[in-house]
Amino acid sequence: AQSVTQPDIHITVSEGASLELRCNYSYGATPYLFWYVQSPGQGLQLLLKYFSGDTLVQGIKGFEAEFKRSQSSFNLRKPSVHWSDAAEYFCAVGGNEKLTFGTGTRLTIIP
Amino acid sequence: GAVVSQHPSWVICKSGTSVKIECRSLDFQATTMFWYRQFPKQSLMLMATSNEGSKATYEQGVEKDKFLINHASLTLSTLTVTSAHPEDSSFYICSARDVGLMNTEAFFGQGTRLTVV
Repeated sequence: AQSVTQPDIHITVSEGASLELRCNYSYGATPYLFWYVQSPGQGLQLLLKYFSGDTLVQGIKGFEAEFKRSQSSFNLRKPSVHWSDAAEYFCAVGGNEKLTFGTGTRLTIIP
Repeated sequence: GAVVSQHPSWVICKSGTSVKIECRSLDFQATTMFWYRQFPKQSLMLMATSNEGSKATYEQGVEKDKFLINHASLTLSTLTVTSAHPEDSSFYICSARDVGLMNTEAFFGQGTRLTVV
């Protein structure tokens, strides 16, 4: 069975500081991996995805993520966060069918 | 990216009534749509997979007679919450995949906030 673990429930970062959100997955085959962001009361916006190829993927809003097969990880990074990055972040894994989501990490930005 | 429109964005209904939520793919065809439920401060839980022209596949623990799913066309899937009760209050989100593209992500609607009073 596929599963996703986001070990950090809540992270607080100062504006302008770097960010890394952790994601570990369990999947029986080569996974498709995703990071989504959700603002309160809103749907999900795709930040980036990994299907194959280069293990360092670039996404929107200055985010990037690195797929590490040996560690079953797909951590999300941003070199300098902005106040507008405050939101809930979800990592997800799946094939061509359904996605399994992690429990999410709430990001708070302090001035 | 492709656009998925979900309607309504929010709805309040009386206990015992039924509510229909629509999920439309606006600029692509989707043979498969997914329905998720999200409780406050929790993750998305897949309720069912909706396939155009066939019966939906429900996840374990989801009552198919309570959450009726219809996927009559390649651009529209509906979720009907029948005889709604306060415990059905939640955030419902649909997603859809473009059948014309391989190895692509599912696109999400903006969600529907259901409150049953």
